[in-house]
Amino acid sequence: GAVVSQHPSWVICKSGTSVKIECRSLDFQATTMFWYRQFPKQSLMLMATSNEGSKATYEQGVEKDKFLINHASLTLSTLTVTSAHPEDSSFYICSAQLRQDYGYTFGSGTRLTVV
Amino acid sequence: GEDVEQSLFLSVREGDSSVINCTYTDSSSTYLYWYKQEPGAGLQLLTYIFSNMDMKQDQRLTVLLNKKDKHLSLRIADTQTGDSAIYFCAESKGYSTLTFGKGTMLLVSP
Repeated sequence: GAVVSQHPSWVICKSGTSVKIECRSLDFQATTMFWYRQFPKQSLMLMATSNEGSKATYEQGVEKDKFLINHASLTLSTLTVTSAHPEDSSFYICSAQLRQDYGYTFGSGTRLTVV
Repeated sequence: GEDVEQSLFLSVREGDSSVINCTYTDSSSTYLYWYKQEPGAGLQLLTYIFSNMDMKQDQRLTVLLNKKDKHLSLRIADTQTGDSAIYFCAESKGYSTLTFGKGTMLLVSP
């Protein structure tokens, strides 16, 4: 149980376009999902906490208007990278938690390349 | 703020035991986790331990927690080449976000 599906697994887009990444909890409901970004040779950086039915909570330094997060249902959160630039190229990972005594389950990640 | 530290690299021979260490600073941490990340993939939860436990064993994996020293270790018995990956230590206080270490790259040579 506690499977998180993330799509797409990789995407290449042109500068200036927008890209949407989906994160779904397949067999459980997740009121909260988390979005991380991994920089090369570094650990995951938390970008934002996605809350179902309310606004996401962004970490300091993360541009809200650039990284739009929508958590419209208990099983789906989306991250939209707007007006993407090459510096946005990274590995984006989402996660959710089945319950309080259960570890976090991560999606498989999305490799975004902006050309 | 909270900090989680781990050594960046570990190299072992196939069949040996691997021990990956982690220290954390937040004494209110409730859960401590070990994740495995293979190249290009997401993080896979290997195991986790509650802060009121000293040890947890799961097949080839043994987690030891020294709460006094805020030290967590992951021992992999009979390490295989397929165990080569980056291992992340993480801590949380229940239903909250995770604080990750930078990860330890484990290289297993034949």
